[in-house]
Amino acid sequence: EAQVTQNPRYLITVTGKKLTVTCSQNMNHEYMSWYRQDPGLGLRQIYYSMNVEVTDKGDVPEGYKVSRKEKRNFPLILESPSPNQTSLYFCASSLGRPETQYFGPGTRLLVL
Amino acid sequence: QKEVEQNSGPLSVPEGAIASLNCTYSDRGSQSFFWYRQYSGKSPELIMFIYSNGDKEDGRFTAQLNKASQYVSLLIRDSQPSDSATYLCAVLDTGRRALTFGSGTRLQVQP
Repeated sequence: EAQVTQNPRYLITVTGKKLTVTCSQNMNHEYMSWYRQDPGLGLRQIYYSMNVEVTDKGDVPEGYKVSRKEKRNFPLILESPSPNQTSLYFCASSLGRPETQYFGPGTRLLVL
Repeated sequence: QKEVEQNSGPLSVPEGAIASLNCTYSDRGSQSFFWYRQYSGKSPELIMFIYSNGDKEDGRFTAQLNKASQYVSLLIRDSQPSDSATYLCAVLDTGRRALTFGSGTRLQVQP
């Protein structure tokens, strides 16, 4: 089954404790992206990747890191999480066109 | 910064009626427009997209573009309770190859 998976789905952590949210797709997609979704603000892009070893900033990259060492994986790293990073995070992928993105199930993060 | 604006709603329509959802965009050069549906607690899914060359119909859904006024509409005919969801409008930023999303309109279809 073609899918985008994210782990964990729910996470409660404390300020400053490094965390990684994993994202994996089994569709051999080149394009992958991370979004955060906050009430009233919609989906905002954090980082995206056109292909392996090619990443670029989206609209709200501050406080986040990503890497793309393999085509299927695109982890999101929060080196020192803060409460303003409490949000719902979505990973997405597409074959080459960002408009036809498949979204993962989401990761709900609470930073205390 | 390029912006996409939507009325947050909720937009409430009776079952069987036409639901009309709108979004406005700030970049006059935008050419590709998308509608995603997001059920509560779920991830967004693409339901329609149109390009600047015309409107598009797919089953009960019609997407329309008004370039002069810079807004995009989604019409849902014969609305069903299962259409109750948040509808996100998105515009393609060709320079960054990224989508800019609106904040979404919540649609409620009353049985």
